Amino acid sequence: EAQMVESGGGLVQPGGSLRLSCVASGVNFSVYWMTWVRQAPGKGLDWVANINPAGSDKWYVDSVKGRFTISRDNAKNSLYLQMNSLRVEDTAVYYCVRRPRDLDYWGQGTLVTVSS
Amino acid sequence: EVVLTQSPLSLPVTLGQSASISCRSSQGLVYSDGDTYLNWFQQRPGQSPRRLIYKVSNRDSGVPDRFSGSGSGTDFTLILNRVEAEDVGVYYCMQGTHWPFTFGQGTRLEI
Repeated sequence: EAQMVESGGGLVQPGGSLRLSCVASGVNFSVYWMTWVRQAPGKGLDWVANINPAGSDKWYVDSVKGRFTISRDNAKNSLYLQMNSLRVEDTAVYYCVRRPRDLDYWGQGTLVTVSS
Repeated sequence: EVVLTQSPLSLPVTLGQSASISCRSSQGLVYSDGDTYLNWFQQRPGQSPRRLIYKVSNRDSGVPDRFSGSGSGTDFTLILNRVEAEDVGVYYCMQGTHWPFTFGQGTRLEI
């Protein structure tokens, strides 16, 4: 059965850093584009970043460019999101999702709270 | 950036009745491969989103045939027939054709 499990969320002060991880199973991870999508409390869904299967092509939304870095380790079936210079507005549940164009498999999400 | 406008934003329905959600795009959504990456998602309270429909009208495995998607160009529709209590939640359309990919604002379905 396809499963993606995110971890690494927590409470961090503005300006701080956090690294999110996602371990995939049953989804043939290494051949697919992957993405991070986030959802602020009580709000809708927003894109964060995509990465191609080789890890060589990365797309970011403007609001996180220069602060967030998406990466992957296909040998470990893992996706990562390094988040630096965090802002209060980055507070959200972050979801690891397969296939950015049509988002077929979602993780359960990990909550990131940026607050002083 | 492509803007997806959903309507209505709140949708009160009666059990057993039908419901329809519109998603209008600010640009056409046909990708260079010929496919239209307009997808629909359901998010039940307290849960992760779940895909219902992909590429306009293809229903995901395990999704009841009460759900159907249609549309072309810039106008798309999700239809729920014979609404059940388990359908309560927020429904989002999403386009995966033009980067940055975008979501609609969401439509809250309530019984």
